[in-house]
Parts: sequence; structure tokens; C-alpha cells
Amino acid sequence: AQSVTQPDIHITVSEGASLELRCNYSYGATPYLFWYVQSPGQGLQLLLKYFSGDTLVQGIKGFEAEFKRSQSSFNLRKPSVHWSDAAEYFCAVVTGGGNKLTFGTGTQLKVEL
Amino acid sequence: DAGVIQSPRHEVTEMGQEVTLRCKPISGHNSLFWYRQTMMRGLELLIYFNNNVPIDDSGMPEDRFSAKMPNASFSTLKIQPSEPRDSAVYFCASSPGGGAGEKLFFGSGTQLSVL
Repeated sequence: AQSVTQPDIHITVSEGASLELRCNYSYGATPYLFWYVQSPGQGLQLLLKYFSGDTLVQGIKGFEAEFKRSQSSFNLRKPSVHWSDAAEYFCAVVTGGGNKLTFGTGTQLKVEL
Repeated sequence: DAGVIQSPRHEVTEMGQEVTLRCKPISGHNSLFWYRQTMMRGLELLIYFNNNVPIDDSGMPEDRFSAKMPNASFSTLKIQPSEPRDSAVYFCASSPGGGAGEKLFFGSGTQLSVL
């Protein structure tokens, strides 16, 4: 079955440092992949998505992600983290007909000032 | 637009009671999703509707859970009878159509505590 794995449960970075959050997918064909962010007490917000074409995808808030088929990965990156980026980040993949999404277990990001 | 509106924001109830969660999707959106979030299981899709019709309810835990979408602007998720293990945050989300990969717009969730 199609799925995504986020190997890091918690990550702590210093403000201004670069960030990379890992996501690995399991899917036979080219998957539809997403990154969502959840701030405390809020619902999820879409950061970016990948369907096909250019493997480097730009999103909101200065985030980007790169699709690497050879590594079955879709890692999220940001060159310089801001304190307001502290949140939980979810990788997701379309796993069914229509728009059925399956989410990873999430990575909690802490930003040290 | 006000976004996806869920009510109540918080619900505390006793085991055995009926609980009804409500959702108003974004106007014009054709798909609606109910997710449950817990520490142990993460985000789980319970059910989703397209044009008010349930498309996939394979994530609904058991017969105690039921969901309806009587019209395009309203959906309910009911738990009867509720149990402590149902305690979770329940999210409703909507998307413009039923196509794969469309952006989901999430509500702020309902925090349910069953004592």
C-alpha cells in the first residue's frame, strides 16, 4: 500500500540555520506528494505539492522540497529558519481515488533562539 | 471567505453519551473529509464525501461512528455511544473538487474528551 514515512519525530534547529525534514514514500508509480504544516491548536495548511515535472518544488513561507525517485524521498528544506516556523510538519501522499490523502506521523520542529 | 468552520471547538462528555461534531465546508467546495488526530495513531482519514455522497468510509472505526452530509454546506460526525478511546482532535477539511492532489483546507478542529 502507498504510504509515507517521516523518520524524525522531533528536530531542533537554531534560528537562522538551515532545515531539512525527511520524507520517504512507498509507491509504484509517480506519487502525488504534499507537505502540510500544523501550528499549535490549528488545522493543517498546505506548504507545497508535487505531481510531476520539475523535481524541485517551491512552496509558501520560503519552503521548498525536492522529489528524488532514486531515493524514494521528498524532503522539505528551508535555507534559514525563523522562530515562527516552529510547528509540526506532515508529509502526505494520495493513496486512493479522488483526493484521499494518507499522512505521515509528523515531525515536530523546535526553533531555538 | 471564513474557511472551514467546525463546532464545537472543545467537547467534554461522559462515556456512553452521544457526541455530534459539525462542519461547514468552504462554499463551492465539492469534497469534504473527516480526519482524526491522536498521539498514538497520528492523522487518520475517517471518511470523505464528494458531492455530498460518501465515497470512502473504510477509516470509520466501528459502527458507533456515523457521518452525514445532508447538503453541500453541512456535515456531521456522530459517535454513539462515546468511549474514552474516542478522545482525539477531529478535523474537517474540504477541497474544491474530487480530483487527485487538490489542496485540502482544514478547519481548526474539535478537541473531544470522553471521560
